[in-house]
Amino acid sequence: EAGVVQSPRYKIIEKKQPVAFWCNPISGHNTLYWYLQNLGQGPELLIRYENEEAVDDSQLPKDRFSAERLKGVDSTLKIQPAELGDSAVYLCASSSRDSPYNEQFFGPGTRLTVL
Amino acid sequence: AQTVTQSQPEMSVQEAETVTLSCTYDTSESDYYLFWYKQPPSRQMILVIRQEAYKQQNATENRFSVNFQKAAKSFSLKISDSQLGDAAMYFCAGGGIESQGNLIFGKGTKLSVKP
Repeated sequence: EAGVVQSPRYKIIEKKQPVAFWCNPISGHNTLYWYLQNLGQGPELLIRYENEEAVDDSQLPKDRFSAERLKGVDSTLKIQPAELGDSAVYLCASSSRDSPYNEQFFGPGTRLTVL
Repeated sequence: AQTVTQSQPEMSVQEAETVTLSCTYDTSESDYYLFWYKQPPSRQMILVIRQEAYKQQNATENRFSVNFQKAAKSFSLKISDSQLGDAAMYFCAGGGIESQGNLIFGKGTKLSVKP
């Protein structure tokens, strides 16, 4: 079974440029998460999807960040415009409603560097 | 509100020895799950072990075991017979049923294994 797929693995951009990250969850997983992980810190939730609905986006900085999961499968996280402080690793995770303890499976992440 | 505290930024263990990583989890929810995740330099977060708060028996997965003290809000991870491949960042995380599975992560403990 394929795991959570993310691309790109690395991205370097100039500040004020837009950037997008893509995530394909494990097949059949209805819940998808985007996390932000700063250097030396644990992941912090940005947004959680149940199928195509964003059920928790309270931590998403909506002035510059947006996300979509149009068909309830893969998802895209966008930053426009990027700022220096956005340099971090962006992790995607997915889970199945059939899991009683909501085990989350993580992708390898995208490391973003904003110059 | 939920908080996860890992008070050991770094730990070191000799190969084949035992090490214990500490974590405290504070929540107002009565039903929740606790997890330990491992993140090697490749960045892929891997679930090591999980514990249901309502279970009195401590979870064990091969060389990994937890000591869950609910009243003390303590959730420590013991790694026995440490191996070089155990070297990684270890994150403690918790999620309540009322929070619909949203996980709160600690800041992590960097484990080094000496040959």
